[in-house]
Amino acid sequence: GESVGLHLPTLSVQEGDNSIINCAYSNSASDYFIWYKQESGKGPQFIIDIRSNMDKRQGQRVTVLLNKTVKHLSLQIAATQPGDSAVYFCAENQAAGNKLTFGGGTRVLVKP
Amino acid sequence: DGGITQSPKYLFRKEGQNVTLSCEQNLNHDAMYWYRQDPGQGLRLIYYSQIVNDFQKGDIAEGYSVSREKKESFPLTVTSAQKNPTAFYLCASSILGGQAEAFFGQGTRLTVV
Repeated sequence: GESVGLHLPTLSVQEGDNSIINCAYSNSASDYFIWYKQESGKGPQFIIDIRSNMDKRQGQRVTVLLNKTVKHLSLQIAATQPGDSAVYFCAENQAAGNKLTFGGGTRVLVKP
Repeated sequence: DGGITQSPKYLFRKEGQNVTLSCEQNLNHDAMYWYRQDPGQGLRLIYYSQIVNDFQKGDIAEGYSVSREKKESFPLTVTSAQKNPTAFYLCASSILGGQAEAFFGQGTRLTVV
């Protein structure tokens, strides 16, 4: 079936360095993508989104890049802080529907 | 404050019992979702609803049931047919249209004892 990023790898990063989290999606009809952050025992929180008519979008310390040619999405976190330690999920949706599909997530561990 | 509320936060169930998880939102959202999350795993869609009195199966609907009698409420029943119900359950809501973020509740951790 269609899927978004099935794996849950762990990314260890030194405090102050930049982090890059990757996500692959397989549904070429998806046209809206979201990154979520989930802390232990809590629900996911919205970080940033991007529509398929864009390649890049920036927020506060975060940048999302979308490469539709290879169906790849990435989240860049600048100057990673201890509070950024969490699991990060990408999700996809289609303008024609409301079936938000999540990838497997990436755990980010920030080392002091 | 507007938001989405799940209750209870922790729930224990005996084998063979049905149990219902509550999800309420006051965001005036049409779409609501239920996801299941196992330890170290991603979110898997159980059921979703785009309008009152209508809902669709997600990827892992077997052993679960839902209702959508009111716009604000989307309760999930975990039935005895669900063979491995111990998990973290997340409810979410969003506006319709597919290009909007979903807002999540804080989750219910269900444990079968």
